[in-house]
Parts: sequence; structure tokens; C-alpha cells
Amino acid sequence: KNEVEQSPQNLTAQEGEFITINCSYSVGISALHWLQQHPGGGIVSLFMLSSGKKKHGRLIATINIQEKHSSLHITASHPRDSAVYICAVLQGAQKLVFGQGTRLTINP
Amino acid sequence: ETGVTQTPRHLVMGMTNKKSLKCEQHLGHNAMYWYKQSAKKPLELMFVYNFKEQTENNSVPSRFSPECPNSSHLFLHLHTLQPEDSALYLCASSQEGVPAQFFGPGTRLTVL
Repeated sequence: KNEVEQSPQNLTAQEGEFITINCSYSVGISALHWLQQHPGGGIVSLFMLSSGKKKHGRLIATINIQEKHSSLHITASHPRDSAVYICAVLQGAQKLVFGQGTRLTINP
Repeated sequence: ETGVTQTPRHLVMGMTNKKSLKCEQHLGHNAMYWYKQSAKKPLELMFVYNFKEQTENNSVPSRFSPECPNSSHLFLHLHTLQPEDSALYLCASSQEGVPAQFFGPGTRLTVL
């Protein structure tokens, strides 16, 4: 069992739908990252959080430290949101442990 | 150039070849990382360098040899690789004390 588990692994939705991607982890962490990876490989950091909730545009990330769970939400989804979304937990100062990613496809 | 750059973006090599991957960061960071992303597997940390010194080797086989000549440049020297080493190799950088890491675009490596 991976230390970081994401669900679902694949998600297909229609444009405009509300999207939720979940991440559970089983290790102690100092922070949690949500990353976006587009075809071709480049990775962009969306959020880094250690408690509570953060919002950026149509993206919202929450974390529950006691439950060891985080969610990434996308409101009013758009085809350009299609990508792989990766949850990664930070152990200590520098070591990132990654989930397997969620492949999101938004159809017009 | 801005951010983190990697060259080449694509590389095909035979098992007996020797090649090198290059990473350069233009962010003034002092930590650099190599990650491997194989098909159907999560990203894995390979090496960490802080102030040019290797501080983490995540049980990586010796056919992968990193080099960090200064805080802005990181190399991954490859020799006698196996087909299962085919993967996307990503470089990242960060600033000491700041947990955010910035990723390069990756080098997609195919070993024949």
C-alpha cells in the first residue's frame, strides 16, 4: 500500500461540473502539495498547505490533519483543466512522497 | 531563461551508451532534486543536493551518477542503463527553509 493514496485514479466529467479529487496519507507530514501535470510532463505547483483551506480562482484545496486527508476541488470545470493532478506530502524539510495521480478529462 | 530548465527534452539511448541529463535553475535556490516518473508509478525521489552537497540518495543504482558543480546546475550521468530505466526524469529546486519546490519540464528517456 502506498503511503499516499489518491482517488479516483481516472475521472471524466462534462464542462461545468464540480470536481473533487481525494488524497489520503499514512505518514507524518510537514505540508501537503497539490501539483498539476500536463501532457509533455511539466509539473506546476497549485497549492501547498499544512492546515485548513486555500482557494485560488476556481481551485480549492482543503486538508484535515487529524484525518490525514486532503481534497482538491475544481468549480465550473473547463476542458483546459484536463491534466493529471498529483498529491504529494512533504516529510521533513525536503522529502516529497507522491500519490499515483488522478487523470482528469473534462469534455466540452 | 526563467525557472528550471532541463536538456535534452527527449533522449533515446542504447544500453551501452553514456549520456548526461542537465538541469539549470535560474531562481537563486540552493537545493536541487532529481525525480523519476515511470509509467503507471508515482514520482520517486532519486537524489537531493543542498549547497552542492548530496544529502539524499534514495537507494538509486550506481548506473545513475549525479553531479552538482554549483547551486544552479545539476547533472545526471547515465551509463549501462536498462530498458526499465526508461522514464521521465524531472529536476526540481527549492530554497532552504521554504518547502515549495519548482519543477523543470523533464527529460523523457527511452533506453533501447
